[in-house]
Amino acid sequence: GQQLNQSPQSMFIQEGEDVSMNCTSSSIFNTWLWYKQDPGEGPVLLIALYKAGELTSNGRLTAQFGITRKDSFLNISASIPSDVGIYFCAGPRTGTASKLTFGTGTRLQVTL
Amino acid sequence: NAGVTQTPKFQVLKTGQSMTLQCAQDMNHEYMSWYRQDPGMGLRLIHYSVGAGITDQGEVPNGYNVSRSTTEDFPLRLLSAAPSQTSVYFCASRRTAAGNTIYFGEGSWLTVV
Repeated sequence: GQQLNQSPQSMFIQEGEDVSMNCTSSSIFNTWLWYKQDPGEGPVLLIALYKAGELTSNGRLTAQFGITRKDSFLNISASIPSDVGIYFCAGPRTGTASKLTFGTGTRLQVTL
Repeated sequence: NAGVTQTPKFQVLKTGQSMTLQCAQDMNHEYMSWYRQDPGMGLRLIHYSVGAGITDQGEVPNGYNVSRSTTEDFPLRLLSAAPSQTSVYFCASRRTAAGNTIYFGEGSWLTVV
């Protein structure tokens, strides 16, 4: 089935650093969603993007909907230890609103 | 607020055994779904339901059955467990099929030996 490719697969950064990750697809998406999964828990929605070119922030998090509608980016500024977790992009492909496709995930580790 | 509740949290099965993962939501959501999460694969959709009495297959439905007799409950049945079904299973719900805010349960860790 269709998968979204995320990169990098994992990141080890120091507290205070900025983080960038992206998500790409060969198919067009009408909506891009970014989720965070803490260890031992289910994913939680961070940001939703609905329009090509849209830039949306949620605290230290900023996400962008790519102009081609085939990619999206998530940035975290001034990382802190509680940013540790797995970040997933997701979206319903055109014509399949009832089925969300999830990316492969970016695992973030933050060191003090 | 309970949200999405999954049971059991952990389960070990022998190959060939059957079992049911329970999922309940108290938000009156129309849409419910089951995902499995495997290393390097992200979350893959097993089955979903857009309302009571309606179910459909996702990306990886083989070996699993679902039913939706009530709005609140969406159990996932493993008919004859196989080691390939060792995974973490997440139940999720959203208000409608087109809604974007999807709420996940805490996960069920299943090991098939």
